[in-house]
Amino acid sequence: EIVLTQSPGALSLSPGDRVTLSCRASQSVSSNYLSWYQQQRGQPPRLLLYGASNRAPGIPDRFTGTGSRTVFTLTISRLEPEDFAVYYCQQYGSSPPMYTFGQGTKLDIK
Amino acid sequence: QVQLRQWGAGLLKPSETLSLTCAVYGGSFNVYYWNWIRQPPGKRLEWIGEINHSGSTNYNPSLKSRVTISVDTSKNQFSLKVRSVTAADTAVYFCVRGGEQWLSFAMDVWGQGTTVTVSS
Repeated sequence: EIVLTQSPGALSLSPGDRVTLSCRASQSVSSNYLSWYQQQRGQPPRLLLYGASNRAPGIPDRFTGTGSRTVFTLTISRLEPEDFAVYYCQQYGSSPPMYTFGQGTKLDIK
Repeated sequence: QVQLRQWGAGLLKPSETLSLTCAVYGGSFNVYYWNWIRQPPGKRLEWIGEINHSGSTNYNPSLKSRVTISVDTSKNQFSLKVRSVTAADTAVYFCVRGGEQWLSFAMDVWGQGTTVTVSS
């Protein structure tokens, strides 16, 4: 089972700041089957990026994903008030079919 | 606009069976895999398993012995049963659309979540 480790665990930032979140995999993630989600308190997660770098429909271009194999990042270029939330990465492995999530990074308003 | 609406019992006693159902409105039920994912308090999201319209299933090995996911294509619904629950099964349970290679196996539509508490 591939374990995803996100860092940092929490950050306090201000609107307008730029932030980069990290997701490291214990083994190589096949075919860049790596996705990022945003979860607001009391809401289900919302898909932001899939395939490591592809924005889901309706996701603004201030969200950018990069990486491959075991190291992936999510960058938010200019934080808006609605971006303060918890972010999760998720990977898919096919042998056997299995999905795992990182432990999350919480963005707080400073 | 695809919507997932889920329901089921929210309070269980240890050793009982958790039962949740999710209805899919809009979109194509026959194209995707339909998943259950849970989120224990303060812990990371955990994938439980998935099913497609023909009843093909995949389960998380850590839960496989206690979990059954089934589908009712006549109603565009899928269901989750977890047997012999304990306090460790306390979580928010989500039904989720996903499992497609073209979407890099991302989960793109989520139900609203059901809080399940196991307590004696």
